[in-house]
Amino acid sequence: DQQVKQNSPSLSVQEGRISILNCDYTNSMFDYFLWYKKYPAEGPTFLISISSIKDKNEDGRFTVFLNKSAKHLSLHIVPSQPGDSAVYFCAASAEWNYGGSQGNLIFGKGTKLSVKP
Amino acid sequence: EAQVTQNPRYLITVTGKKLTVTCSQNMNHEYMSWYRQDPGLGLRQIYYSMNVEVTDKGDVPEGYKVSRKEKRNFPLILESPSPNQTSLYFCASSLYPRETQYFGPGTRLLVL
Repeated sequence: DQQVKQNSPSLSVQEGRISILNCDYTNSMFDYFLWYKKYPAEGPTFLISISSIKDKNEDGRFTVFLNKSAKHLSLHIVPSQPGDSAVYFCAASAEWNYGGSQGNLIFGKGTKLSVKP
Repeated sequence: EAQVTQNPRYLITVTGKKLTVTCSQNMNHEYMSWYRQDPGLGLRQIYYSMNVEVTDKGDVPEGYKVSRKEKRNFPLILESPSPNQTSLYFCASSLYPRETQYFGPGTRLLVL
């Protein structure tokens, strides 16, 4: 069963507008969440993270929101730029001593964002 | 420059011919991991290593082996590749599992 879900395989946004990428998770033990960005022919690169003790984390144009009760997080990109066009992966992990994932990252399937000029 | 390197970047092989994909990191990271990326399936973990001589299975370990004899290297071994192992493979490393992972550039493997 998929523990981290990105239900939108793709998203198209106009340059300058807001991009909102969504991620849902099922494991209530997850307490650390990350977003990675991946360009074609490159490895994923870290974008932003959030711990479960927070509900928001901001870094420049990127903001991640966490709603623990809904087991939902979202990545907001404002304003969107053509260079943001990439595949975005949501990832989650649980504390070591809860077993199972052993602190490993569990990734979603990714959302391909296209920002049109 | 801090980086994770993988070799080869592209590989075409035939069923049953043993191959090794190398991975090396220069950041003195304890944790290293292998993932495969397939269309519609995202990134799935194959094996990971907490430290030298400590390795464990991820979500999709069947058909793969790994070793961690030195901290910097974590090769992925396919003893008898099959067409269902055609995929894009990524090596990653971090200081600890829950730290930010740094990914290599990927190895695209085609098994005929």
